[in-house]
Amino acid sequence: TQLLEQSPQFLSIQEGENLTVYCNSSSVFSSLQWYRQEPGEGPVLLVTVVTGGEVKKLKRLTFQFGDARKDSSLHITAAQTGDTGLYLCAGERGNTGKLIFGQGTTLQVKP
Amino acid sequence: KAGVTQTPRYLIKTRGQQVTLSCSPISGHRSVSWYQQTPGQGLQFLFEYFSETQRNKGNFPGRFSGRQFSNSRSEMNVSTLELGDSALYLCASSLTRLAGGRYNEQFFGPGTRLTVL
Repeated sequence: TQLLEQSPQFLSIQEGENLTVYCNSSSVFSSLQWYRQEPGEGPVLLVTVVTGGEVKKLKRLTFQFGDARKDSSLHITAAQTGDTGLYLCAGERGNTGKLIFGQGTTLQVKP
Repeated sequence: KAGVTQTPRYLIKTRGQQVTLSCSPISGHRSVSWYQQTPGQGLQFLFEYFSETQRNKGNFPGRFSGRQFSNSRSEMNVSTLELGDSALYLCASSLTRLAGGRYNEQFFGPGTRLTVL
């Protein structure tokens, strides 16, 4: 059973389109992080959200943490080819020190 | 500040052999975590070391072990390799909360690609 479910698993869109990736769980997380991973590299941290209802923006990327801290979303506006990669959400329950990762969403942005 | 480094980047072994992977964390980071990444299972937590002690452990068999040295460098060992151990092994370091780190944010190395034949 996957504790963090990401959807969709794969997404192929044209440059300029908008998209949203979802990260859902039945468990409460003390914090939730989003990473992007490019082929041949390790994941790179994009953002951390910690407060229910929190919204953070990183240029064209908007991250939201659900009110109950069980889910999160990543919205990309006007996608660019450079946004191509694997997007991973990861949550920590309490202060366990263990991050639980979602399966990831593979995004392909075509020119 | 230099990032997390992992050696080797690529490794080919045969079933039954053992392998040791190395990880040097970001200077000042004392927590090192190891993850296994496969297309089918995604990113799975192996274990975390802090101050030379294993602090957390994932659900992997005892063939997977690790250690951390006094300079925070870490090694991971897999004994009696199986075909299913083929994966990208990622190391990540983080600042502990006591040291001013926030929310267990992980800084990953590029990984070691292990192929078991």
